[in-house]
Amino acid sequence: QQQVKQSPQSLIVQKGGISIINCAYENTAFDYFPWYQQFPGKGPALLIAIRPDVSEKKEGRFTISFNKSAKQFSLHIMDSQPGDSATYFCAASKNDYKLSFGAGTTVTVRA
Amino acid sequence: DGGITQSPKYLFRKEGQNVTLSCEQNLNHDAMYWYRQDPGQGLRLIYYSQIVNDFQKGDIAEGYSVSREKKESFPLTVTSAQKNPTAFYLCASSKGGSSSYNEQFFGPGTRLTVL
Repeated sequence: QQQVKQSPQSLIVQKGGISIINCAYENTAFDYFPWYQQFPGKGPALLIAIRPDVSEKKEGRFTISFNKSAKQFSLHIMDSQPGDSATYFCAASKNDYKLSFGAGTTVTVRA
Repeated sequence: DGGITQSPKYLFRKEGQNVTLSCEQNLNHDAMYWYRQDPGQGLRLIYYSQIVNDFQKGDIAEGYSVSREKKESFPLTVTSAQKNPTAFYLCASSKGGSSSYNEQFFGPGTRLTVL
């Protein structure tokens, strides 16, 4: 049973467009929500993370929006570039080291 | 140059064989993890260790075993009891301690194929 549900499974966006990936969770004890980026054949790398005491966090072209009451959080990639083409995973944890991952979203940015 | 190394990059196993995947880190991290990645399923936790000589089962530990004799090393053995071992295996580490906001750093992975 997946504790974090991620959508869409894949998306295609034109260069310069906005990519939006959504995640939902049920466990209200989760208190850390990271996003990871993975290129083919490589390990994931932390992209950006948020705690539930803030509703938004921005780092460069990447923004996390967090809605605690709806138990949802999303990743927005602004001005998408071909180099952003990768698989993105949301995750959540509750102070016990274990991360629960979403199933992943493959983003393709067309030039 | 700090980081996590995994070896080998590719591994082929015959049915009935045990194989051991290596994971080493020089980040001085206390916690280490093993994940399995299958297409369309994200990452699933196999085992994790918060400190030397201690480890806990994750969500899919059956057919796997680990040891943590040194802080730097966390090898994973895929035993013949694992019925579907073909997958991409990822090792990770984090600082550990009392904070829950532990960024996990991942290695480059080992792709295991059963022949």
